[in-house]
Order: sequence, then C-alpha cells, then structure tokens
Amino acid sequence: GNSVTQMEGPVTLSEEAFLTINCTYTATGYPSLFWYVQYPGEGLQLLLKATKADDKGSNKGFEATYRKETTSFHLEKGSVQVSDSAVYFCALSVSGANNLFFGTGTRLTVIP
Amino acid sequence: GAVVSQHPSWVICKSGTSVKIECRSLDFQATTMFWYRQFPKQSLMLMATSNEGSKATYEQGVEKDKFLINHASLTLSTLTVTSAHPEDSSFYICSAAGPRTGLFWVYNEQFFGPGTRLTVL
Repeated sequence: GNSVTQMEGPVTLSEEAFLTINCTYTATGYPSLFWYVQYPGEGLQLLLKATKADDKGSNKGFEATYRKETTSFHLEKGSVQVSDSAVYFCALSVSGANNLFFGTGTRLTVIP
Repeated sequence: GAVVSQHPSWVICKSGTSVKIECRSLDFQATTMFWYRQFPKQSLMLMATSNEGSKATYEQGVEKDKFLINHASLTLSTLTVTSAHPEDSSFYICSAAGPRTGLFWVYNEQFFGPGTRLTVL
C-alpha cells in the first residue's frame, strides 16, 4: 500500500540552527513526493515537491531530495528562522491519481 | 494564489444533531474537492473526493450516509455530519483542485482550507 512515515515532533530549535525532518515512504508504483507546511490558523500550503528519483525540491531555503534507494524525502534547512515555526507534513501521490497520502506532521518551533 | 476557506472554523454540537461544514474556493473554479479528517497526532485521512455536479466518491470505511457531501457549484462543497456522535469529533479539512491542465499522470495541485474543528458532546 501507500504510506508515509514522518519523524515525530515536536521539534524545538534556536534561530539559525540546522533543521532535518525525516520522511520515508512506501508506495505502489512511482510516487511524487511533497512537503506541505501549515502555519497557525492557515491551510496546508505546498512547500516543495519532487516527481522522480534524485530530484531535489527547494523553496524558501528548504530542500528535500527524492531518494528511491532509501525511499526517503527528508526535509532540510540550513538556518531556520522564527517565521518557520509551523507544522510540516510529508506526503505522496501515486501516478495517475490525485489522492495524497500524508505523514502525521511535525511541529517545529523556532525560538529567538 | 489560490485561496480556500472553510466555515465554521470550529463548532460544538450535541450528540444526535447534524452539522454542516462549508468549503469555498475564493478565486478559482474547483472542479474537484476533497474532504480529509485528522485525528490528534495522526495523518490526514482522505474521506471522499467530489467532482462538481456529480456524486462524491468515498474512501473505504467512510459511511456515505453519515458524511453527506454536496458539490453543487464550482466554488462550494459542503460536508454534513448527520446524527453526530462523540466519536465524530475531529478536525475536518477540505482541499480544492482546479481543472487538470497537465498530463494525466501529473499531480494536480490541491489547495487546502484552514480546517474545521468539530466537537460533539
């Protein structure tokens, strides 16, 4: 089946610290992979995506690389800011479908 | 960008009553809308997919008679939780996608509402 396993939070970091949120997946077929972010009081927003192996998605200083050999899509940022405080969801979609399969979400809090 | 709103943002109701949640796409035509449910510390689980003007497609294990979905226009979908019980308490999230413009195997981006927290007493 299709599923996403995401690092449990919450994660608390100081400003300018390095961030990694782990995500691994299982999928039938060849999935596209996504990271969504949910800021307080807002809906989920697409942060970045990758559609094939070795693709790197990037946005707002965040990066994630589609690793087929390890079935992973870990989210990284070199220097987090207070404004990055949010809940981050890893997700996948299987080719030809529009369904999204989500991880449990990881709450990140960045303190000044 | 594409904005999706939900109303209400939270609702408390008595057991046995029905609750309607609205999902609106504010600046685009949503040919497809999705309803998700999220339990504390768990993933968003897809409940159903609806295309404008047609019946919703429910995921396995979701009672269609309990969770009534209507997608009567290109900007509005509603989820009605009928005869709600405490176990229906949850966070309900909708998303909307516009007409598919890419190839069929390419993911058609969904835009998410902020969610509705339902508490059934």
